[in-house]
Amino acid sequence: RKEVEQDPGPFNVPEGATVAFNCTYSNSASQSFFWYRQDCRKEPKLLMSVYSSGNEDGRFTAQLNRASQYISLLIRDSKLSDSATYLCVVNKGGATNKLIFGTGTLLAVQP
Amino acid sequence: DGGITQSPKYLFRKEGQNVTLSCEQNLNHDAMYWYRQDPGQGLRLIYYSQIVNDFQKGDIAEGYSVSREKKESFPLTVTSAQKNPTAFYLCASSTAGDPPTQYFGPGTRLLVL
Repeated sequence: RKEVEQDPGPFNVPEGATVAFNCTYSNSASQSFFWYRQDCRKEPKLLMSVYSSGNEDGRFTAQLNRASQYISLLIRDSKLSDSATYLCVVNKGGATNKLIFGTGTLLAVQP
Repeated sequence: DGGITQSPKYLFRKEGQNVTLSCEQNLNHDAMYWYRQDPGQGLRLIYYSQIVNDFQKGDIAEGYSVSREKKESFPLTVTSAQKNPTAFYLCASSTAGDPPTQYFGPGTRLLVL
């Protein structure tokens, strides 16, 4: 079983749609969680950290369920510019700050 | 501008050749990391360094070497022992905050001729 699992997609949605991505992780000791966005042939860029209480940044909402070891990202009112691969990332904890990356979910927003 | 730079953007390696990828940051971060990304796979950790003059092997260190002589610099050498070096190489550095957060350079694409 992979340490971080995501549905690879692609998710093809029309502009204005709401889309949700899910991610599960296997290590219950994981301490911090992130969503990164990666455009084609570019580096990953931090989209948002994910907190147990849930957090929102504009059209983006992230949720964490520690009991189920489940992370989600909701994008409302999708824009063409949201088209990218979304990476679920988990910090294993401890002193090394090692991140474990999911393989990513590809989103294509259609006009 | 603060950030992480990597050079070159594209690099071609001949069989049996060692090549060195550059990574520089001016963010004053102590920790730096090297990852490799292959199509359809998540990023995999090659080496990391938490402080100057110290570094640790990651999950796929075989065929690679690093040095950390300066806080700002963390070069990666891909040696001839790495039999499948074609990949996208990403360097990152990390804040010391809570949670510590990694930021990436623009990457280097290595191709074997």
